[in-house]
Amino acid sequence: GAGVSQTPSNKVTEKGKYVELRCDPISGHTALYWYRQSLGQGPEFLIYFQGTGAADDSGLPNDRFFAVRPEGSVSTLKIQRTERGDSAVYLCASSLFGVGGGNEQFFGPGTRLTVL
Amino acid sequence: GESVGLHLPTLSVQEGDNSIINCAYSNSASDYFIWYKQESGKGPQFIIDIRSNMDKRQGQRVTVLLNKTVKHLSLQIAATQPGDSAVYFCAENYGPDGGTSYGKLTFGQGTILTVHP
Repeated sequence: GAGVSQTPSNKVTEKGKYVELRCDPISGHTALYWYRQSLGQGPEFLIYFQGTGAADDSGLPNDRFFAVRPEGSVSTLKIQRTERGDSAVYLCASSLFGVGGGNEQFFGPGTRLTVL
Repeated sequence: GESVGLHLPTLSVQEGDNSIINCAYSNSASDYFIWYKQESGKGPQFIIDIRSNMDKRQGQRVTVLLNKTVKHLSLQIAATQPGDSAVYFCAENYGPDGGTSYGKLTFGQGTILTVHP
């Protein structure tokens, strides 16, 4: 079956521009997560959705970052006024359930964002 | 803040050997731990998990050991194969304010495993 997909796979932008990164979770998965991974580091949690609502956005680094999941399926991570320090691989994951943990998170291949 | 860390950043083994990858965690409230494998250009792939009420769990060629006394986690890979070469991450899961966890994962830095034929 289809796994988690992310588009685009690569995004190159200029400092100060706005970008949107898309995540298509596995069908039926209620929980969706965004992580950011810098070179040589483990993924870093950004935000967690349960259904349409952001249950935990404590990992978003500042107010330039925002994410939505309006219909409880596809999610978009939006970054305003991009900075060079935003360059990283942005990973999306989904799981069948969220609350209670212990539910395997399936990761997408990531979007590599490069801010020039 | 509290975090998950790894003792060894790189590990090189010969094909057929057993591999052991270690991880130290510092959050005593963590109740769920997962090992992920990440190949170049791909997202992390689930290997095996373990809950805090267990100290050992076995999968196919892999075993995870949890020692809560010293807050240590290890991944053992039996008969390591070249296809096992990747970066391995441990991750811990705990809920906000020590409450019910919901899958927010905190990852360690990772260990690079290289298997030589």
